[in-house]
Amino acid sequence: SQTIHQWPATLVQPVGSPLSLECTVEGTSNPNLYWYRQAAGRGLQLLFYSVGIGQISSEVPQNLSASRPQDRQFILSSKKLLLSDSGFYLCASQKGGSMYNEQFFGPGTRLTVL
Amino acid sequence: AQSVTQLGSHVSVSEGALVLLRCNYSSSVPPYLFWYVQYPNQGLQLLLKYTSAATLVKGINGFEAEFKKSETSFHLTKPSAHMSDAAEYFCAALNNAGNMLTFGGGTRLMVKP
Repeated sequence: SQTIHQWPATLVQPVGSPLSLECTVEGTSNPNLYWYRQAAGRGLQLLFYSVGIGQISSEVPQNLSASRPQDRQFILSSKKLLLSDSGFYLCASQKGGSMYNEQFFGPGTRLTVL
Repeated sequence: AQSVTQLGSHVSVSEGALVLLRCNYSSSVPPYLFWYVQYPNQGLQLLLKYTSAATLVKGINGFEAEFKKSETSFHLTKPSAHMSDAAEYFCAALNNAGNMLTFGGGTRLMVKP
């Protein structure tokens, strides 16, 4: 099965500072990769997904961007954080080359913007 | 567009009582459906999935769910709640292309001693 790594686990950043969250995947090749955000007391919001290296689709216009420099690496970035960027960020992976499979989730990164 | 609705954002049961978490989907064709559990400050863990095979699906930790096409439902049940079941539960459906999940709003399960 797949293993999803995310770091850092927690992060406290001032408003206006940059952001880089990293996600790496083990146990599969050419996965579909996803970034979700959970704001406090709310459900999951899909931010970005990627079907391959350099291929990123944005679901919600916002202050964030994503990149996929390697097959099993997915990065979430921001040039200037806003207070509203606070939340719990989850990376997910779906087995490559086979649709209709479940997504596996990483442990998440708790981001607090002050 | 596909949607998933979870009735009840909070459900409270006593330890040992039946757990019933409700999920309804809207789709023109029977979708692939999933239940995930999330413990505090952790990622989502797959409980079970329906993939057009048996309509009664058994998952981990004693949970099961029944797909009912006539009711467009996929409710999650467990005969006897444990304190360790306290968590947030998400129902989700895959899109027709099989690569995007639509999540319900989640249900927080509380278990009273």
